[in-house]
Amino acid sequence: DSGVTQTPKHLITATGQRVTLRCSPRSGDLSVYWYQQSLDQGLQFLIQYYNGEERAKGNILERFSAQQFPDLHSELNLSSLELGDSALYFCASSVGGDRGKAFFGQGTRLTVV
Amino acid sequence: GQQVMQIPQYQHVQEGEDFTTYCNSSTTLSNIQWYKQRPGGHPVFLIQLVKSGEVKKQKRLTFQFGEAKKNSSLHITATQTTDVGTYFCAASNYQLIWGAGTKLIIKP
Repeated sequence: DSGVTQTPKHLITATGQRVTLRCSPRSGDLSVYWYQQSLDQGLQFLIQYYNGEERAKGNILERFSAQQFPDLHSELNLSSLELGDSALYFCASSVGGDRGKAFFGQGTRLTVV
Repeated sequence: GQQVMQIPQYQHVQEGEDFTTYCNSSTTLSNIQWYKQRPGGHPVFLIQLVKSGEVKKQKRLTFQFGEAKKNSSLHITATQTTDVGTYFCAASNYQLIWGAGTKLIIKP
């Protein structure tokens, strides 16, 4: 158990809909990262938050947004969903902003039908 | 932007053979991390290398960081079925830059 909790584990929704994925980082970790992993693909970095502030942005679509709350949990919002958004979405957390090892949650598998 | 190239994409081995994956960057890295993702699982941190020329071992796994801190390798000796999965490097300068991963497949 990595200590990072993601909910829900599975999500099936229709095209055009909006969903919210939730992540609770390990106790004491200030950074939260979001990644997208399509079937048998690598990890695509979406966005990083550090202590409530956006720290780095990757290949995140405009239809996607995220935030980190004062209690350090984070949410990833995906809107106007398309079939191609079907993927595994991982959240990871680390103590520091840029160099600490990352601990991953179990992921949320999103299926858009 | 900065990229980390990881090769090969796949490696098929017989159980008992060795496995190696390589990561290369065009720029000097602060450190490099290695992760393993089992099929159906999430990436799990294996190790972090920080110093130029550093070599670290974990049982059958040997990790190396190049002298110029631009490349790294992971070598597994005598692979076992438990080694199956995808191995990722993640290079750190300002943020973690991930390699595409090398999938270790053991031939039946």
